[in-house]
Amino acid sequence: DAMVIQNPRYQVTQFGKPVTLSCSQTLNHNVMYWYQQKSSQAPKLLFHYYDKDFNNEADTPDNFQSRRPNTSFCFLDIRSPGLGDAAMYLCATSRHPGQGTDTQYFGPGTRLTVL
Amino acid sequence: GQNIDQPTEMTATEGAIVQINCTYQTSGFNGLFWYQQHAGEAPTFLSYNVLDGLEEKGRFSSFLSRSKGYSYLLLKELQMKDSASYLCAVMDSNYQLIWGAGTKLIIKP
Repeated sequence: DAMVIQNPRYQVTQFGKPVTLSCSQTLNHNVMYWYQQKSSQAPKLLFHYYDKDFNNEADTPDNFQSRRPNTSFCFLDIRSPGLGDAAMYLCATSRHPGQGTDTQYFGPGTRLTVL
Repeated sequence: GQNIDQPTEMTATEGAIVQINCTYQTSGFNGLFWYQQHAGEAPTFLSYNVLDGLEEKGRFSSFLSRSKGYSYLLLKELQMKDSASYLCAVMDSNYQLIWGAGTKLIIKP
């Protein structure tokens, strides 16, 4: 089945220790998104890729970086995690940005704990 | 600024009907989405409205009034598995999704 996969599902890291979260998709979608979601809050868009074009949200901290080496994979790098970065990180994909019927499909998420 | 409002929490009884409201103020409008999110899991797509009116999909229906900046999600014949958060999201003129904080729906036997 075509899907969005995130690994790992649960990640524990130490304060200040770099961590990488991964996302892969078999939908062959052009766009991949990374969201941060804290408990009982709306998902917050960090950045997205349209093919290889990177689009950073204005309020995304420099501590967060992303890489998309090919259509299928996208990575979220947190260079120096702080306690406030503990959250669920959601990867989503869509076929095209900016088309009104374009639905975003989400992976299962990675729950990050910072000790 | 852009804003999506929905109730924080609602409670309903198994087998009953519940309506979850969403009001929005956004820069432009290119459609409204409803997602379901179970605790600790990712959002899953439920419905999309871009024209005024009611869209029915099994036990779930979604309504939109663009002139009022208003939508609702109607859930019929509630089941315990419907206990989840329901997120309203609007696509603005820049085709960015603006998300509400979600409505936590609690179903009681």
